[in-house]
Amino acid sequence: AQSVTQPDIHITVSEGASLELRCNYSYGATPYLFWYVQSPGQGLQLLLKYFSGDTLVQGIKGFEAEFKRSQSSFNLRKPSVHWSDAAEYFCAFGNEKLTFGTGTRLTIIP
Amino acid sequence: DAGVIQSPRHEVTEMGQEVTLRCKPISGHNSLFWYRQTMMRGLELLIYFNNNVPIDDSGMPEDRFSAKMPNASFSTLKIQPSEPRDSAVYFCASSWLAGGGTGELFFGEGSRLTVL
Repeated sequence: AQSVTQPDIHITVSEGASLELRCNYSYGATPYLFWYVQSPGQGLQLLLKYFSGDTLVQGIKGFEAEFKRSQSSFNLRKPSVHWSDAAEYFCAFGNEKLTFGTGTRLTIIP
Repeated sequence: DAGVIQSPRHEVTEMGQEVTLRCKPISGHNSLFWYRQTMMRGLELLIYFNNNVPIDDSGMPEDRFSAKMPNASFSTLKIQPSEPRDSAVYFCASSWLAGGGTGELFFGEGSRLTVL
């Protein structure tokens, strides 16, 4: 079955530390992959997307993600987090309609 | 530019009442999606439209739920009768789909529904 898995429900990192959020997908072909962020009480905002080509994609707010076909992964990274990055992060895949992972809540400590 | 506009932002109603949620997609977008978000089930796609035509409604929970898109600038999601288990945040999103590929989804701020 086609699915996307975010194994970490909650991650806490210190401000200024690096961040990696994991995402694994199960799909018959190379899917379109996305990362979205949701701040409390808000809708979801697109951080970045991968359709094809360069497997390292850059997004907004200093985020990047790397598509690894051999590991069926599309992990999100940021070299140095800011307190404003505290939010819920969703990995998603699809073609015409998106299926979202269960999300990873990111807490930033000073 | 105006984003996706949803109304109401908050709705509290009693079990058995009819609830209508509204969405105005971004002008020029040709696809519209209704999602439901709960703690237990996460984000679930309920239904999506392309060029005002329902393409996939397999996520609609049951016959109590219905959605319409009478024109390119307006959609409604109706629950009749509502039940406490319908309590959730309902998101509308729109995008431009071309050539069968997926485009970026632009989300509204959601409608938080509480059914007592």
